[in-house]
Amino acid sequence: DIQMTQSPSLLSASVGDRVTLSCKASQNIYKYLNWYQQKLGEAPKLLIYYTNSLQTGIPSRFSGSGSGTDYTLTISSLQPEDVATYFCQQYNSWYTFGAGTKLELK
Amino acid sequence: QVQLKESGPGLVQPSQTLSLTCTVSGLSLTSNSVSWIRQPPGKGLEWMGVIWSNGGTDYNSAIKSRLSISRDTSKSQVFLKMNSLQTEDTAMYFCASNYAGVFDYWGQGVMVTVSS
Repeated sequence: DIQMTQSPSLLSASVGDRVTLSCKASQNIYKYLNWYQQKLGEAPKLLIYYTNSLQTGIPSRFSGSGSGTDYTLTISSLQPEDVATYFCQQYNSWYTFGAGTKLELK
Repeated sequence: QVQLKESGPGLVQPSQTLSLTCTVSGLSLTSNSVSWIRQPPGKGLEWMGVIWSNGGTDYNSAIKSRLSISRDTSKSQVFLKMNSLQTEDTAMYFCASNYAGVFDYWGQGVMVTVSS
C-alpha cells in the first residue's frame, strides 16, 4: 500500500500569508495526487486534481505542484475562509489519503 | 446539480451489521462510479470500496472480508453492508462520486457509532 505523509500536521498563519502544505508519498505516484479541503462539520471538497489542475469554482489563490513522491499545495494569500483541514490523496494504486494538515489563523 | 445523500442508523451494536444507503441525483450510476469513504472522529479519511459504472466492485484489502457494496440503478441508490462491527468502526461514513480516481462530489456524511 502507498502511504501518504502530510506536513506539518498543524499550521498557523496570518491573513495574507503565502502558505505551503506538503504531502509525501511512500513511492512514486506519477502526479496522481488530489487535494481536498474539509471545513469543520462538512464533507471534504475537491480543490485540485492531478497535482495541479484547479477544480471548477475554486479560487485561483490555490495551486498545486510536485512530481515523483513530493507534492505541495500553496495558498498564495491566506483568507479567513481558508481555515480548514487539507488532505492529499493518491490514486496511482487504489486510493489512500494523508492524515491532513490543519490550517488555522494566527 | 449532482447530489449524494447518505442514510442509515446512527447506532449499531458491536458484532452487528451496518447497512447504509447513498441516494444519488444528477448523475447516472450506469455512467459513474461511487465510492464509500469513512472518517473516524478527529482522524483522517479511509477509502472503503467502489462500485464501478459497470456494476463491478473493488474493496480496501483491510476490510474486504467484511464489506459488500451494491446498487439499485432504478432507484439511483448505492448500498454499503459491513458485518462484524467493532468500536473502531465508529466513524462518519461518506459516499462520493469517483471519476478516474478523483472524488469530485461528496455526500454530507452519516455518523455511525458502534456501541452497546
